[in-house]
Amino acid sequence: DAKTTQPPSMDCAEGRAANLPCNHSTISGNEYVYWYRQIHSQGPQYIIHGLKNNETNEMASLIITEDRKSSTLILPHATLRDTAVYYCIVSIGATNKLIFGTGTLLAVQP
Amino acid sequence: EAGVTQSPTHLIKTRGQQVTLRCSPISGHTSVYWYQQALGLGLQFLLWYDEGEERNRGNFPPRFSGRQFPNYSSELNVNALELEDSALYLCASSLRTGMDTEAFFGQGTRLTVV
Repeated sequence: DAKTTQPPSMDCAEGRAANLPCNHSTISGNEYVYWYRQIHSQGPQYIIHGLKNNETNEMASLIITEDRKSSTLILPHATLRDTAVYYCIVSIGATNKLIFGTGTLLAVQP
Repeated sequence: EAGVTQSPTHLIKTRGQQVTLRCSPISGHTSVYWYQQALGLGLQFLLWYDEGEERNRGNFPPRFSGRQFPNYSSELNVNALELEDSALYLCASSLRTGMDTEAFFGQGTRLTVV
C-alpha cells in the first residue's frame, strides 16, 4: 500500500496561503491522491483529489509533482476556521479503502 | 441535500454488552464505509459495503460486524464490548466504487464503554 508522509504540524497566519506538503514516493500509476481535513473530532471533510494534473475547487488547490511522488495542498487565504488536521491519502486500488495517516495539524494564527 | 447521517450521536455501554450503530448514506450513494477513531489516534478502516455486500474488511476481530440494507443504509454491530472499543465510529458513503471516488463522512457516533 502506498504510504504518505506529512509534517506533524504547521502554523499559518490568517489571510495568508497555507501550503501543506505530502510525500507519497511509492504511489502507483493509477492511484489517486486525496485530501481530507478533520476539525476537532468531527467527521473528516473531503477537500480535493487528483491523479496527475493540478486540481482546483472552491476550497483549495492541489499541486502534484510530475513524478507524482509528492503533492501540496494550498489553501489560498487561510482563516481561523481552517484550523484542523489535514490528511493526505493515497487510494488503495480496488479495495477502495482510504488509509489515514497521522496528518498535519494546521494552526491558523490571528 | 442531506449528508451522511449517523445514529445515535453518543452512547454509553457496559463492558460485555452489544451495540448497534446506524448509518444512512447520501441519497444515491451505494458504498458505505466504517472507520474507528480511538481518542488521540488516527482513523482505522473497519468495513466497506457496496450493493449490499461486504467488499473489504480491516484488521478487526470478528465481533465487529455489519450489514448493508437494500436501501443502502448500514449497521455496525459490536459484540462483547471491551473498554478499548471506546471510540468515535465514523461512517462514510460514496457514489460509486473505483479510485476516482470521493467519500463523504458523517459526524460519527461516540461510543463509551465503561
